[in-house]
Amino acid sequence: NAGVMQNPRHLVRRRGQEARLRCSPMKGHSHVYWYRQLPEEGLKFMVYLQKENIIDESGMPKERFSAEFPKEGPSILRIQQVVRGDSAAYFCASSPMRDEKLFFGSGTQLSVL
Amino acid sequence: EDKVVQSPLSLVVHEGDTVTLNCSYEVTNFRSLLWYKQEKKAPTFLFMLTSSGIEKKSGRLSSILDKKELFSILNITATQTGDSAIYLCAGEEYGNKLVFGAGTILRVKS
Repeated sequence: NAGVMQNPRHLVRRRGQEARLRCSPMKGHSHVYWYRQLPEEGLKFMVYLQKENIIDESGMPKERFSAEFPKEGPSILRIQQVVRGDSAAYFCASSPMRDEKLFFGSGTQLSVL
Repeated sequence: EDKVVQSPLSLVVHEGDTVTLNCSYEVTNFRSLLWYKQEKKAPTFLFMLTSSGIEKKSGRLSSILDKKELFSILNITATQTGDSAIYLCAGEEYGNKLVFGAGTILRVKS
């Protein structure tokens, strides 16, 4: 049973470009969460999605950031017009149900030049 | 605002030593306290604590929660170099929203 799969592992973008981060949850998991980890800081909650629905996006910046979890395919975290401050590790986690233990992916390291 | 504070920020010990990592939390709608180990990539789950005073153990690791004092500790006995990692503590709200501390960096020297 494969774990939570994130790709790419590393992503380099120039300021103003778009970044797309993908997350495939564990088999049987329909709840997906995105967290961001800035250097020397703890993980910060961004968004919680269930298939085709955004449940909680209270941690998402109001502009440039969006997330989706379509009926088919991986969850996508999209960052438009990236800035240097977006450089961070972005982790995805999944769970089979609400209030169940979260399993984390290996993260995507985004570097904005 | 919800917050989780871990101490110490970093720790260097020798193999065989025992370490205690601390975590205090202020989380609204608190459901549980979780510990994760992070070694360069995915945080891996260690413990979930929901009740006060009940120690959870896994090999050389153990953890306990005090819901009155809003505090948890993670103990590692007979440390090994493979225990070197960042240990993350998180308070969980109902709805799976985790509030993480900044972590404790543990380095075990041989």
